[in-house]
Amino acid sequence: QVHLVQSGAEVKKPGASVKVSCKTSGYRFIDYYLHWVRRAPGQGLEWMGWINPYSGSTEYAQSFQGRLTMTRDTSINTVHMELRRLTSGDTAIYYCARVVTRGIAARPSTRASGLEVWGQGATVTVSS
Amino acid sequence: QSALTQPAAVSGSPGQSITVSCTGSSSDIGDYNYVSWYQQHPDKAPKLLIYDVTNRPSGVSNRFSGSKSGNTASLTISGLQPEDEADYYCGSYSDGTTFYVLGTGTKVTVL
Repeated sequence: QVHLVQSGAEVKKPGASVKVSCKTSGYRFIDYYLHWVRRAPGQGLEWMGWINPYSGSTEYAQSFQGRLTMTRDTSINTVHMELRRLTSGDTAIYYCARVVTRGIAARPSTRASGLEVWGQGATVTVSS
Repeated sequence: QSALTQPAAVSGSPGQSITVSCTGSSSDIGDYNYVSWYQQHPDKAPKLLIYDVTNRPSGVSNRFSGSKSGNTASLTISGLQPEDEADYYCGSYSDGTTFYVLGTGTKVTVL
């Protein structure tokens, strides 16, 4: 059975950084793209970016360029999301999600067909 | 990034059918058949209902169906049930300023 288990809740001061982990199990880690999505209080879902676990290549949403980094550790089947220069607007639940279609080619069919398996979410609170 | 446009709210009575629309552009929905739909209940992670416009993952009720016409995708819920009350989001691959874009979200209420 496929599982994505995320690290716990974090409380950070404005200007700090946060790193959220997403440990995967139940499938071959390098075979599926992984995405990060967040939902701020009272807001809708917001796509942040994706990572190819095989190559480590990434693409980020324009609104996060310069302060977002996604990495992976193939030895422990885990991806990490680090967001820097936090503001109160970054207070949100952060989710990792695995795509439905197997494959690591740089094609829409493997990168963005749909997010099938989700982590439980990690709450990040930014407050002074 | 520009989100896909959804109605803020849609409602229906038990047993009825409702449709949630999702409007994008030729950079996303119009040119690609990689539209997905998600259901999110309060304090829960989203759940994939539809991918590649019309496909249902294993275990998803056939009461949920997807379609697309031009730059607009639609999710239809047939035989509305109380447990369908939730927030619904569309998503699509994009070759615009972002690579993947999500909708603004629709709150579905079962009257």
